[in-house]
Amino acid sequence: QSALTQPASVSGSPGQSITISCTGTSSDVGSYNLVSWYQQHPGKAPKLMIYELYKRPSGVSNRFSGSKSGNTASLTISGLQAEDEADYYCCSYAGFSTWVFGGGTKLTVL
Amino acid sequence: QVHLQESGPGLVKPSGTLSLTCAVSGVSISSSNWWTWVRQPPGKGLEWIGEVYQSGNANYNPSLRSRVTMSVDKSKNQFSLKMTSVTAADTAVYYCARRGGGAYDYWGQGTLVTVSS
Repeated sequence: QSALTQPASVSGSPGQSITISCTGTSSDVGSYNLVSWYQQHPGKAPKLMIYELYKRPSGVSNRFSGSKSGNTASLTISGLQAEDEADYYCCSYAGFSTWVFGGGTKLTVL
Repeated sequence: QVHLQESGPGLVKPSGTLSLTCAVSGVSISSSNWWTWVRQPPGKGLEWIGEVYQSGNANYNPSLRSRVTMSVDKSKNQFSLKMTSVTAADTAVYYCARRGGGAYDYWGQGTLVTVSS
């Protein structure tokens, strides 16, 4: 069970859109729609932003959206705001009752 | 309001056993959820450790399975993690979380466990 692959860092200016990729295999991301995304600010617990590929929990801005193509899931943040600066993690069901996280991506708002 | 709170020793000796408890409030631990442990070494990413159901049925990360045991205490509305034969590589912030369906919707604040003599 290997961690899902995410870019180490992405950046964007306020108002712009960015996309964070999460690449797995046909055994995890490619086979299930059970991909979720988490936002983590320094020293804080992760916060659920997207679940089941594209669904947003109550209270999460519609600037956050999710999608998947093949073995790669993506999180898009539109209209970047300074408060979006954080680490982002994807997570996928990996079969055999196990789950796997991505390595994390540091988002910098320039 | 669902709330999870981790507790346990912050320092464990090498080769010893790490024991943590997660107290749950606002929802019954007997509800249809999986109760999960996730850890994060300093400066690194999240790692799924495993999960336990109200029945006591548990699933573990294959890389940790031989050292990990999870259990539920319905009388106290809490669940626990035990990890044996710890090394410095097990130093991390340990989070407990609730898996509702396919995602972790409630998390504890996390507790730092350091493995050192």
